[in-house]
Amino acid sequence: EAGVAQSPRYKIIEKRQSVAFWCNPISGHATLYWYQQILGQGPKLLIQFQNNGVVDDSQLPKDRFSAERLKGVDSTLKIQPAKLEDSAVYLCASSPGGLGRNEKLFFGSGTQLSVL
Amino acid sequence: GQQVMQIPQYQHVQEGEDFTTYCNSSTTLSNIQWYKQRPGGHPVFLIQLVKSGEVKKQKRLTFQFGEAKKNSSLHITATQTTDVGTYFCAGPNSGYALNFGKGTSLLVTP
Repeated sequence: EAGVAQSPRYKIIEKRQSVAFWCNPISGHATLYWYQQILGQGPKLLIQFQNNGVVDDSQLPKDRFSAERLKGVDSTLKIQPAKLEDSAVYLCASSPGGLGRNEKLFFGSGTQLSVL
Repeated sequence: GQQVMQIPQYQHVQEGEDFTTYCNSSTTLSNIQWYKQRPGGHPVFLIQLVKSGEVKKQKRLTFQFGEAKKNSSLHITATQTTDVGTYFCAGPNSGYALNFGKGTSLLVTP
């Protein structure tokens, strides 16, 4: 079974530039998450999708971050414009079922973003 | 909102010594999950605890869920160099997404 795919693996940009990350979850997984992991910290939830609908985006800095999952499969996360404090690993995760199932998460390898 | 806190932040042991990390939640949890992240890697699921007072074992790893379902622990017996990494506990928020603690980084010296 293929895992969660993410690209690119690394990205270096200058502040105020824009950047986009892509995620393809495990086939058939209904729920998709984007987490931000700053060095030395635990993953922080940015946004949660159930199929193509947003369940929770309360911690997404909406003035600069946006995410979509238009067809309920793959997803993109965009930052525009980037700030220095956005330097982090952006992890995509997926889980099989619907809300309330308390399922384990399958993580992708992440995109390491450096903002200079 | 719900938060999980972990202690210690770091632990350095000699190979063969035991290791324990503790997790505390600000609210009662329906379940708690543990993940391991190797250096340069991504979090990988270890286990889920659901019942009050539950204890589960995976070889040298023992996981406990507190009676009040607000705390949990992971104990590793006789650590090996392969145990190196950061161990995270995570509890569900109101939307069932997981809130992660800051993790405990384990370093094992041969």
